[in-house]
Amino acid sequence: EDQVTQSPEALRLQEGESSSLNCSYTVSGLRGLFWYRQDPGKGPEFLFTLYSAGEEKEKERLKATLTKKESFLHITAPKPEDSATYLCAVRDSNYQLIWGAGTKLIIKP
Amino acid sequence: DSGVTQTPKHLITATGQRVTLRCSPRSGDLSVYWYQQSLDQGLQFLIQYYNGEERAKGNILERFSAQQFPDLHSELNLSSLELGDSALYFCASSGSQWDTEAFFGQGTRLTVV
Repeated sequence: EDQVTQSPEALRLQEGESSSLNCSYTVSGLRGLFWYRQDPGKGPEFLFTLYSAGEEKEKERLKATLTKKESFLHITAPKPEDSATYLCAVRDSNYQLIWGAGTKLIIKP
Repeated sequence: DSGVTQTPKHLITATGQRVTLRCSPRSGDLSVYWYQQSLDQGLQFLIQYYNGEERAKGNILERFSAQQFPDLHSELNLSSLELGDSALYFCASSGSQWDTEAFFGQGTRLTVV
């Protein structure tokens, strides 16, 4: 069964303290892995798509990487405005979208 | 503002009732996705339509149905509502069938009492 697991469930960091969020997946025929950011009471906002192992993408303080079994979202020198829930999702060979439960990131000033 | 409009924003209804949630995608987007988000289940993909036709189906209950109309707006119909159907329902849209970047609406919060 296709599955996406995100860890940790929650992460508290001091402003400027870099860290990584993990998304491990088991899927038949990966057709893309996506990272989204969700603020409370709002819809998710697209960040990145990765398609193949070894691929990397960057946006401001965020960098996403992909291996055959997992993806990491690296956050460098985070600011309080980076606080949000980060969601990972994969599209399988049937084009279904499977989402992880998310990592709630809190950046303290 | 993502450009995706969902109505209503809030809905309170009784068990056993039927409701319709509406979604207007971004201008020019042909694909519409429906999601359910509850505290204990996270974001659950329900169904995707592309240019009026069903493209992918997730864990959508038989009591739920959706359609996309010629003007590309979409409706999600929920019937025989149960307390457990209380959740935030999101609609998202994208330009093509398998676009990776989807734009989400603000959601409809459904409370079943």
